[in-house]
Amino acid sequence: NAGVTQTPKFRILKIGQSMTLQCTQDMNHNYMYWYRQDPGMGLKLIYYSVGAGITDKGEVPNGYNVSRSTTEDFPLRLELAAPSQTSVYFCASSALATNEKLFFGSGTQLSVL
Amino acid sequence: KNQVEQSPQSLIILEGKNCTLQCNYTVSPFSNLRWYKQDTGRGPVSLTIMTFSENTKSNGRYTATLDADTKQSSLHITASQLSDSASYICVVSPGSGGYNKLIFGAGTRLAVHP
Repeated sequence: NAGVTQTPKFRILKIGQSMTLQCTQDMNHNYMYWYRQDPGMGLKLIYYSVGAGITDKGEVPNGYNVSRSTTEDFPLRLELAAPSQTSVYFCASSALATNEKLFFGSGTQLSVL
Repeated sequence: KNQVEQSPQSLIILEGKNCTLQCNYTVSPFSNLRWYKQDTGRGPVSLTIMTFSENTKSNGRYTATLDADTKQSSLHITASQLSDSASYICVVSPGSGGYNKLIFGAGTRLAVHP
């Protein structure tokens, strides 16, 4: 029962570098999300997808990009890393939209120095 | 502005004791309220989901209550165990949106000591 799998668990980037956070789910969920969690703050939605080929911006999309070529995978791309992107990133999925619980991955801790 | 406020920020209790965590929200209209448990270094895990018409929902030793009139919810943990040490996050779904409009509280960090 893998659920939602994120890689890597930890990463340190230098300012200006790029990287892709990987997320895959094996529950055949249509809805997938990327959140960031900063200390003392609630999770903030970066991007979301309602199905393969469909993505949209969340509350804090600047500096990030996503793609959804398959139902299973939803990678998050950081193009020019900035210290403000230091955070813990969570990928999540759900079967339906409303009243459905989210299944979260175990997170990626990213530091930009 | 739609907000979710949780209290206390942190709490320490002894193993076997009960505790209650609070969540106040200003979200309106309101669709459902969720409680998640987040262990250190892990992603949140769903405990309960309540619609606006539900007053209480239980999941083992966890009982969530909801008062939609006062916009308050609480999570009661009975006979705490060391494994209950975690952050507990209250999440509100606005009635107008749903999946892409969830509002997360900052969480209450609970430590259960032997």
